[in-house]
Amino acid sequence: QTVVTQEPSLSVSPGGTVTLTCGLSSGSVSTNYYPSWFQQTPGQAPRTLIYSTNTRSSGVPDRFSGSILGNKAALTITGARADDESDYYCVLYMGSAISGWVFGGGTKLTVL
Amino acid sequence: QVQLQESGPGLVKPSETLSLTCTVSSYFIRSDNYWGWIRQPPGKGLEWIGSIYHSGSTYYNPSLKSRVTLSVDTSKNQFSLKLSSVTAADTAVYYCARGCSGGRCPVDYWGRGTLVTVSS
Repeated sequence: QTVVTQEPSLSVSPGGTVTLTCGLSSGSVSTNYYPSWFQQTPGQAPRTLIYSTNTRSSGVPDRFSGSILGNKAALTITGARADDESDYYCVLYMGSAISGWVFGGGTKLTVL
Repeated sequence: QVQLQESGPGLVKPSETLSLTCTVSSYFIRSDNYWGWIRQPPGKGLEWIGSIYHSGSTYYNPSLKSRVTLSVDTSKNQFSLKLSSVTAADTAVYYCARGCSGGRCPVDYWGRGTLVTVSS
């Protein structure tokens, strides 16, 4: 079974830029996987940031952007703020007849 | 703005069936969206359970497919999850969600989530 991979943890300085990635244990991520990104702070429901590779969800600031970088989907945060410190999850579409949607294990982002 | 609210028992006994309902407000469930369920065990990551269209068309996580049934009640603007033969491993926060129009994502709007504990 294909696994969706994410960095377990990353850090960024306030005001800095960080890129989180979402890959496959076997193969390359393309727009056909409709990657989405979610932000979750402790005790809260997740919030959708990006869907369909690079479309920002309603109300999401343009500091958050999605793309395909090489063979992975990517979430780039620019001008990092203290309240960006969260867990970030990606999800990929494997096809309804196969596995449907598969989440990555999440990246814990620290802003320090 | 669409709102989703999960409801159902917070405690289920092992081997029994977990049943949850999601009530959708300020949005027509017959719109061009899938409606889904996602869960998160305490301290762990997210897991997609399955999604349903207002027509009743469904697709499920293969690892849960044999135990999961999704249904939709358009007259009540609700959709529901049943998970049978539960064990402690099914203890999680369960979120209901609206999928993107056109099926481009499993969720654009989330419910607040409800904790379901499996214990005798």
